[in-house]
This record gives sequence, structure tokens and C-alpha cells, in this order.
Amino acid sequence: ELKVEQNPLFLSMQEGKNYTIYCNYSTTSDRLYWYRQDPGKSLESLFVLLSNGAVKQEGRLMASLDTKARLSTLHITAAVHDLSATYFCAVGLAGTASKLTFGTGTRLQVTL
Amino acid sequence: DAGITQSPRHKVTETGTPVTLRCHQTENHRYMYWYRQDPGHGLRLIHYSYGVKDTDKGEVSDGYSVSRSKTEDFLLTLESATSSQTSVYFCAIRNGQSTFFDGYTFGSGTRLTVV
Repeated sequence: ELKVEQNPLFLSMQEGKNYTIYCNYSTTSDRLYWYRQDPGKSLESLFVLLSNGAVKQEGRLMASLDTKARLSTLHITAAVHDLSATYFCAVGLAGTASKLTFGTGTRLQVTL
Repeated sequence: DAGITQSPRHKVTETGTPVTLRCHQTENHRYMYWYRQDPGHGLRLIHYSYGVKDTDKGEVSDGYSVSRSKTEDFLLTLESATSSQTSVYFCAIRNGQSTFFDGYTFGSGTRLTVV
């Protein structure tokens, strides 16, 4: 059974600081996805990582994937208040009808 | 925009009553999914569909059934609602074609309260 763990579960950080969210998973996979969810809203896709060593960047967010370590990171650079949201990673396994298993989410709060 | 809508957006129902949630998509996607979101659990897969009348169970399927009689509609039914089924329900469609899978597009969600 695939398990996906995120840490931390909650992160309070000051504007301008850097931090990293970690996503570990239990079964070999090269398909990892990051989503953002604002309070009371749906999930929107941030990054799609489909190979070992993949790195994607969008603004102050950068995601990477290490399939050998079964680890993905979401790095936040110089945080701003607008990044406050809950971030989920999700892992897919080949041949499973594209089912995704989600982590529990990391609630990020960026304070002034 | 993938054109996926969920209805209703909010519902309050009594314990023991049946409830049906609807997911509608306009772009002929083959794969559709129902997840529930609960604090501390992230999103958990309830059921999914890989074509008309082709459905299968996810990890938390007990107490739920689904139907897909048309490509565009995927219905989730709570046979006899219980308080433990109070949750936010999300429908999703698979993005990408053939072997290239670039994740999901989610509906807006249905907030269900069972009293």
C-alpha cells in the first residue's frame, strides 16, 4: 500500500524567509504532483514531476523529485503573504488507472 | 478550463437518508474520481471510473456507491448517510492523453453535513 507523508503539517513563517516542505512516499514512483488549496477552495495544480531529478520553478516556489530517495521537496524562497495556503503532494503509480495518493497537506501561514 | 462542475455545492442531510452528489464534465475525459477531504487525512479516494459503466473502489469506499451511465456524469451516492460521512467531497478528472498523465483537475467541491 502506497503511503505519502508530508512534513511539517503546519508551518508558520515570516515574510522574506526561506523554507522547505518535504514529501516522502513508500513505493517506487516517478510521478509526483504538487497542489495548492486556498481556504474553502478547490485544489489547483502547481507542479508535475515525472522523472528522477526533475526540477520545476514558478515564482518563489521550486519543486524537485528524487525517486531513489522517494522524496520530493517544495522550496519556498523569500515567502510573501500570498503564498499562505495548504500544499499537498500526491503520488501516482504506473498501471493504476492514474489514481493519486495524497499526503495529509502542509498548511503554510506567512506572517508579516 | 477543463469544464468540471459539482452539485450541490453545499448540503445538509439527516442521518439515514440517501444522498447523491453529481460531477459533470464537458470535455469527454475518460477517467473520473471521487475523493473526500478531512482534516488530518488529506484527500482519500472513494471510487473512480475509467469509462461508461466501468467503476472501481478506492481506499474508503464503504457506504458509498457510484454510477456512470454517460461519459460526462459521475454520480456518488451515500446509501444511508452517517455522521462520519460529513466531509468535503471533490470530483476530479484526469488530465493528459494516453500514457502522459499530468495530474488532475478538480471540481469546486461539495460540503456535506450529516446531522
